[in-house]
Amino acid sequence: QKEVEQDPGPLSVPEGAIVSLNCTYSNSAFQYFMWYRQYSRKGPELLMYTYSSGNKEDGRFTAQVDKSSKYISLFIRDSQPSDSATYLCAMSEHSNSGYALNFGKGTSLLVTP
Amino acid sequence: GAVVSQHPSRVICKSGTSVKIECRSLDFQATTMFWYRQFPKKSLMLMATSNEGSKATYEQGVEKDKFLINHASLTLSTLTVTSAHPEDSSFYICSAKDRGTGELFFGEGSRLTVL
Repeated sequence: QKEVEQDPGPLSVPEGAIVSLNCTYSNSAFQYFMWYRQYSRKGPELLMYTYSSGNKEDGRFTAQVDKSSKYISLFIRDSQPSDSATYLCAMSEHSNSGYALNFGKGTSLLVTP
Repeated sequence: GAVVSQHPSRVICKSGTSVKIECRSLDFQATTMFWYRQFPKKSLMLMATSNEGSKATYEQGVEKDKFLINHASLTLSTLTVTSAHPEDSSFYICSAKDRGTGELFFGEGSRLTVL
């Protein structure tokens, strides 16, 4: 598996803060970038899916991909205590059959009331 | 949304015994399923990819005789940890790719503890 770098944290922020989560990678062939949220003792759930470079927004979440820098980000606006979880970035070279994902270690986020 | 059911969610077994974990896609057909292993504070590590009706493809370093994977139908894949040892204790997660949409869904994971 290709290596994906992600700071494990933990990251603690007050409620309402803007959260920035990041990953870097070394494989320039990655084209599909995902962010997953994983609550304790649960499986990951997909939050955002982005193809190639650019931004994607979904409610309070914004995903950014900068392929030239091999750097992806997830921003959470107006963070809530319910956002407290581990956030995993994942990426893949292909979207079709195979779809094996390369995960970061995950960043643990705690949003305090 | 689509659901992937993983069973059991927790299992404790004695060293030397075998444990089977099931991964089911409940409302879609999954031609491809993936098995991951997650250690504390580590990333999800892909163990193997299984395609319905064919042998699983194992990642480098994963013992195929120890981690038996069967994908007998379009909705079920099983992972059997044979002759389990304490170092096999981990969180095992499956994911299934929807045959129709191509979306990927994860199971809730199975925590294995080998005494």
